[in-house]
Amino acid sequence: EDQVTQSPEALRLQEGESSSLNCSYTVSGLRGLFWYRQDPGKGPEFLFTLYSAGEEKEKERLKATLTKKESFLHITAPKPEDSATYLCAVQPINYQLIWGAGTKLIIKP
Amino acid sequence: GAGVSQSPSNKVTEKGKDVELRCDPISGHTALYWYRQSLGQGLEFLIYFQGNSAPDKSGLPSDRFSAERTGGSVSTLTIQRTQQEDSAVYLCASSSGADQPQHFGDGTRLSIL
Repeated sequence: EDQVTQSPEALRLQEGESSSLNCSYTVSGLRGLFWYRQDPGKGPEFLFTLYSAGEEKEKERLKATLTKKESFLHITAPKPEDSATYLCAVQPINYQLIWGAGTKLIIKP
Repeated sequence: GAGVSQSPSNKVTEKGKDVELRCDPISGHTALYWYRQSLGQGLEFLIYFQGNSAPDKSGLPSDRFSAERTGGSVSTLTIQRTQQEDSAVYLCASSSGADQPQHFGDGTRLSIL
């Protein structure tokens, strides 16, 4: 069965304290893996797409990496405005995205 | 340009009433998706449109739920005879193709009293 597991459920960091969020997946035929950011009361905001193992994407303080079984979202020297829930989704052969439950990230000033 | 627009942003209704939720996708996006998000849960897929047709309705939870899309643009999700368990945020997304990133609206928060 296709599934996506994100860990940890919640993460509290001090401003400037780097860390990583994990997205583990089992899927038949991965077409792509997507990372989104969701702020309270808002819809998910697209961050990255990764298509193959070894691929990396960067945007400001965020860097996403992909292996055959998991993806990491690395956050370097985070700021309070990086606080949000980060969602991971995988796209199998049938195109329908399978979503993780998210990691709630809190960055304290 | 304009993003995905959903209306209403909030809807409170009594159990047993029918509700219609509207989604206006990004112009030119052929694919449109409806999801449901309950508090603290991941996104639950409801239905996918390619143009005006819905090749995948597998996520609709019951026959009380239906959706249509007209003119390859606006979509409405209708819930008949609402139940308290229908309370959730209903999110709409659109994309330029099935394998392209989905872009989301801010959702309709539905509360059933």
